[in-house]
Amino acid sequence: AQSVTQLDSQVPVFEEAPVELRCNYSSSVSVYLFWYVQYPNQGLQLLLKYLSGSTLVKGINGFEAEFNKSQTSFHLRKPSVHISDTAEYFCAVSDRDDYKLSFGAGTTVTVRA
Amino acid sequence: SAVISQKPSRDICQRGTSLTIQCQVDSQVTMMFWYRQQPGQSLTLIATANQGSEATYESGFVIDKFPISRPNLTFSTLTVSNMSPEDSSIYLCSVEGNEQFFGPGTRLTVL
Repeated sequence: AQSVTQLDSQVPVFEEAPVELRCNYSSSVSVYLFWYVQYPNQGLQLLLKYLSGSTLVKGINGFEAEFNKSQTSFHLRKPSVHISDTAEYFCAVSDRDDYKLSFGAGTTVTVRA
Repeated sequence: SAVISQKPSRDICQRGTSLTIQCQVDSQVTMMFWYRQQPGQSLTLIATANQGSEATYESGFVIDKFPISRPNLTFSTLTVSNMSPEDSSIYLCSVEGNEQFFGPGTRLTVL
């Protein structure tokens, strides 16, 4: 079984500033890692995923994440945020065999002008 | 990429009644998943629905409360039975695969 910890429940940030959302996971097996975004009153959208290969993963909307196996982390970053990035962000992990997702508690990002 | 649709998109129900949520995928998939997102919370897996076999439920979820059907490789239903206000949530389906796409969700309010 896996567990996911998102270390920041809320992250306020000014427009055009960088943002980092921290995610740590625990698992006894190899996993896939995901970041999802949920805009207010909308569904879940995949930002990026790590399956294998390069540990730096680039996603949509200028986001990227780095997989660190030794630290069991998968932190999400964006060098310059926009007002439109205001949303809830979820880190998730799945076993490579069964595709069941375990989600973190979520991080609320609020971008201010 | 899979395109997933759900019906209804939202509903308001009275306690004690049941609601069946439909999930349709535009391609054939072996595994479909049902998740619940309670207000202000993260997502929790309810069950895995495999075509041709009984659904597999996660700890804390039981078939009597959340019966699932999986009649073919593109369709599944989740029923929320004997509803109470605590069942007010967004219910989402997703499908197997490295992309882990989600449907738009069904927003359920129980009065």
